Amino acid sequence: ELKVEQNPLFLSMQEGKNYTIYCNYSTTSDRLYWYRQDPGKSLESLFVLLSNGAVKQEGRLMASLDTKARLSTLHITAAVHDLSATYFCAVDTGNQFYFGTGTSLTVIP
Amino acid sequence: EAGVTQSPTHLIKTRGQQATLRCSPISGHTSVYWYQQALGLGLQFLLWYDEGEERNRGNFPPRFSGRQFPNYSSELNVNALELEDSALYLCASSSEIGKGVYEQYFGPGTRLTVT
Repeated sequence: ELKVEQNPLFLSMQEGKNYTIYCNYSTTSDRLYWYRQDPGKSLESLFVLLSNGAVKQEGRLMASLDTKARLSTLHITAAVHDLSATYFCAVDTGNQFYFGTGTSLTVIP
Repeated sequence: EAGVTQSPTHLIKTRGQQATLRCSPISGHTSVYWYQQALGLGLQFLLWYDEGEERNRGNFPPRFSGRQFPNYSSELNVNALELEDSALYLCASSSEIGKGVYEQYFGPGTRLTVT
């Protein structure tokens, strides 16, 4: 079965710092999604990455995809408290979406 | 444009009972997906319906079933409820954003508690 692993699972970072969340997956796919989930809420789509080398940026978040390494990264620049949430990556195999375990991010003032 | 809606918001059942959860997709979306998110865990794929047909099923027992209606809304049924079925159940509908590429839009979820 396809595995999607994220690390770290928990991340506590100070405001203004940079950090990267990693998403590794175990099968060939060129469709990778990033979602944000606030506590008690549903998932919000952040990025859709559809090819090797794809890079997308929105505000302080930047996502990239390396299909050869089966790796996607979500880079956070100069974190702010509003970014505190759980972040999920998901791989689409064409038949099913497989979600990672999630990274719970807490940004400390 | 209205988003994906789910009902009820919360559902409390006792072990052995049946639960029915409902989902209405975004207008124009023909695919509906169901996921289970147990507390503190990621999303586990349950079911995928498209154009009224079940397209794929996750690794869940047969007491998890569902259907999709002609208006593309969907129902998830869980029979013989067990305590470990307590979770947030999320529904998503999808639109094609490229050839064979779909983006999912999630509803607010139904929190099912089994006592």
